[in-house]
This record gives sequence, structure tokens and C-alpha cells, in this order.
Amino acid sequence: DVKVTQSSRYLVKRTGEKVFLECVQDMDHENMFWYRQDPGLGLRLIYFSYDVKMKEKGDIPEGYSVSREKKERFSLILESASTNQTSMYLCASSSIGRDIQYKAFFGQGTRLTVV
Amino acid sequence: GEDVEQSLFLSVREGDSSVINCTYTDSSSTYLYWYKQEPGAGLQLLTYIFSNMDMKQDQRLTVLLNKKDKHLSLRIADTQTGDSAIYFCAESSTGGYNKLIFGAGTRLAVHP
Repeated sequence: DVKVTQSSRYLVKRTGEKVFLECVQDMDHENMFWYRQDPGLGLRLIYFSYDVKMKEKGDIPEGYSVSREKKERFSLILESASTNQTSMYLCASSSIGRDIQYKAFFGQGTRLTVV
Repeated sequence: GEDVEQSLFLSVREGDSSVINCTYTDSSSTYLYWYKQEPGAGLQLLTYIFSNMDMKQDQRLTVLLNKKDKHLSLRIADTQTGDSAIYFCAESSTGGYNKLIFGAGTRLAVHP
């Protein structure tokens, strides 16, 4: 069974802290993504990676960075957390290819609260 | 740019059919998807349709695609309380990175 695992379900951090959100997939997928989900706004893409050590900015990269040192792991970093980064963060992965391989598989989400 | 729009809320009676609608702007979209998110959970792929198809049926789910109007719908027959969730429409275009563009999500409430 395919699996995308996010390291935490819930996190509470203080303003100004450096925050790491970790995501691991076991499907040998090339592509990995970080989204944030806010009510009424749907999912917005923060960053994505199509290969080890490669990254591309999504629609809302400001205040975030990412790291992909290994194919199975994609980390989202909040350099200095702020209250407007309180949100649900979702990691996803997909393979490059035709047909159903374009499907993205999602982790269970990390609800981050910055106080 | 690319945009996906859907209504935010739908309420139906148990046993009725639900129809969730979505419009998109990217005419190069190859695949269109419906994802389901139950409370407190991540997104689960429900179904998808390739852009050269008009309809796809999968048990209680029927997806209709009108390419001319860039309109996608998801019909759930015999809606049950377990279908209560947020449903996201998403599109992806050709290219290797499968960048998905999501709508805001439609919250489906099923009442007795």
C-alpha cells in the first residue's frame, strides 16, 4: 500500500522559531510537493521537487525553504515562524510518467499553530 | 493564469444524489481529479478523468467533463452520511512535474 508519512500531526511553535516539517514516501516517486491548506482557499503550492537536490518555487514560497537530500524525504523549513503561517500543511508525492502515474498521493497533514 | 473554481458548500439529504461542480481555465489540462478530505485527514484520490473522455463511472461516482465549457462535475448517487467531507477538484497539465492546481474545496454535508 502506498504511503506518504508526515512526521507530526500537530505542532505548536513560538513566533521566531525555526520549524522543520518532514515528509517521507515509500513509492520511489520522483516528485514531491508541499501545500498549505486554509479554509476557503483550498490548497496552495509552496514548493515542489522533481529530483534529489532539485526544487522549484510554487505559488507562495515566501517565508519557506525546502530540502531534498534523499529521494524519499522532502523537508519544509520555516526559517522564522510567524502567526500567519498557522495552517494545515500537506505533503504529496507523484511519479513522472503517463496515465495514472500522474496521481498524487498525500500525507495525513500537519496542523501547525504558531503562537 | 491557471484557476480552478468550485462552490464552497453543498447540503443534501441522505439517499439523494449530490452533484459537485467545478470550472477550470487551463485548456491544456490533461487530467482532472476529484479528491476527498475527511475531517482531520489528508486528501484521498477519489477518481480522475483523462481530458479526451466525456464521462467516467466508478460505482456510485460519475464524473462528467465538458471540455468546451471547461466544466467538470462529480455526481454521487445514493449519498450517505459517510460521504460528508470536503471535495477538491484539481487539474494537471502535460509536463513531467504533475503540478496540481486545486479548487477551494466543496464541503458536502449529508443530513438525514
